[in-house]
Amino acid sequence: QEQLVESGGGVVQPGRSLRLSCEASGFTFSSYGLHWVRQAPGKGLEWVAVISDDGNNKLLVDSVKGRFTIFRDKSKNTLYLQMNRLRHEDTAVYYCAREGNLCITETCYYMDVWGKGTTVTVSS
Amino acid sequence: AIQMTQSPSSLSASVGDTVSITCRASQDIANDLGWYQQKPGKAPKLLIYAASTLQSGVPSRFSGSGSGTDFTLTISSLLPEDFATYSCLQNYNYPLTFGGGTKVEIK
Repeated sequence: QEQLVESGGGVVQPGRSLRLSCEASGFTFSSYGLHWVRQAPGKGLEWVAVISDDGNNKLLVDSVKGRFTIFRDKSKNTLYLQMNRLRHEDTAVYYCAREGNLCITETCYYMDVWGKGTTVTVSS
Repeated sequence: AIQMTQSPSSLSASVGDTVSITCRASQDIANDLGWYQQKPGKAPKLLIYAASTLQSGVPSRFSGSGSGTDFTLTISSLLPEDFATYSCLQNYNYPLTFGGGTKVEIK
């Protein structure tokens, strides 16, 4: 079945780095864009980043620009989020999600398959 | 960035009730809106996309409506498994933005 599995979360001090991974299975990895979405404790969902199916186009939310990088490795069917200069406010569960084209007569992309998430805690 | 204002932030209802949740966008987003359900400790699950299209496998008691700036998710005949948090997501442009969420609790 179509599956995404995140890993790499943990406890890290402010200013340090962490790399999250998201391994895909059950679908053709290189055919889909992929997102990272996070959820701080007790808060709502926040979109973080997206990468196109070919890896050539990337967008990030302003609050992480210059600190986070999204990239993917098709040989490993894996999406990554490199997080540098981490801040307390980056503490969250990080989900990866697949961008499915769900509409028939037009293009419409929605996050249709999600991983279970990995927890990042930034604390001194 | 487009702001998504979701209301109410929480509601209490009984099994069998019909409830409605609304999202208002700060600008016209056509029908580029999705609704997600999330249970504690679990990942979000896509219920509705393109404002009113039911995702495959989602029960028909869930329905979505609206276009432009105002959108509604309706859950008819609530079942015990429907008690969860629901969030809207605008897919119109980047950065993608979610509503603040509505927690549907058992009365």
